[in-house]
Amino acid sequence: EIVLTQSPGTLSLSPGEGGTLSCRASQRITSTYLAWYQHKPGQAPRLLIYSASSRATGIPDRFSGSGSGTDFTLTISRLEPEDVAVYFCQQYGSSPLTFGGGTKVEIK
Amino acid sequence: QVQLQESGPGLVKTSETLSLTCTVSGGSISSNDFYWSWIREVPGKGLEWIGNIHSAGTTYYNPPLKSRATLSLDRSGDQFSLSLSSVSVADTAVYYCARVQYGYGNNWIDPWGQGTLVTVSS
Repeated sequence: EIVLTQSPGTLSLSPGEGGTLSCRASQRITSTYLAWYQHKPGQAPRLLIYSASSRATGIPDRFSGSGSGTDFTLTISRLEPEDVAVYFCQQYGSSPLTFGGGTKVEIK
Repeated sequence: QVQLQESGPGLVKTSETLSLTCTVSGGSISSNDFYWSWIREVPGKGLEWIGNIHSAGTTYYNPPLKSRATLSLDRSGDQFSLSLSSVSVADTAVYYCARVQYGYGNNWIDPWGQGTLVTVSS
């Protein structure tokens, strides 16, 4: 199975600051079959990005995704207080579906 | 807007069967456009996909859980269920139900339920 490793474990940003989250795969992911999710405590995880770079419906344009092969990134261009959450990636290029361990984004 | 809600016992005894139900509102599980999925988050281990079921009844399971997991549909109630047999403390987790896009290359997950904590204890 494809193992997804996310870094950093925690990202501390000031409001308005931008940051980059990384998701690295143990083997090449077919096409760009990778998604990103936002998960706040007590809430359902929320789809942000699919196909590596397509924003889901209603997702602000300060969230963007890129990458291919084994290296993918999620960029938050200007952190808002409501963006505090855990962000995780998921690959769906091969079975079984697998997930990264998550990056916690906090306010500095 | 489709919403999913998990329900079931929060405490299960070791060696027994864990049973959870997911109720879908705002949509039909009979749609051919989606799989219906169970995913769990084990403390300290992260997220683990358990399996998918399509409206046609076709099932797909994560190999480590395949021998113990069973997914089923109740079309009349727009519900789908998970049974996990012979549970141990290692099955203690938050269990999520979710909808997965159908078709190869489309298997992102949207939406998810809020999750339900199931504790396995003797």
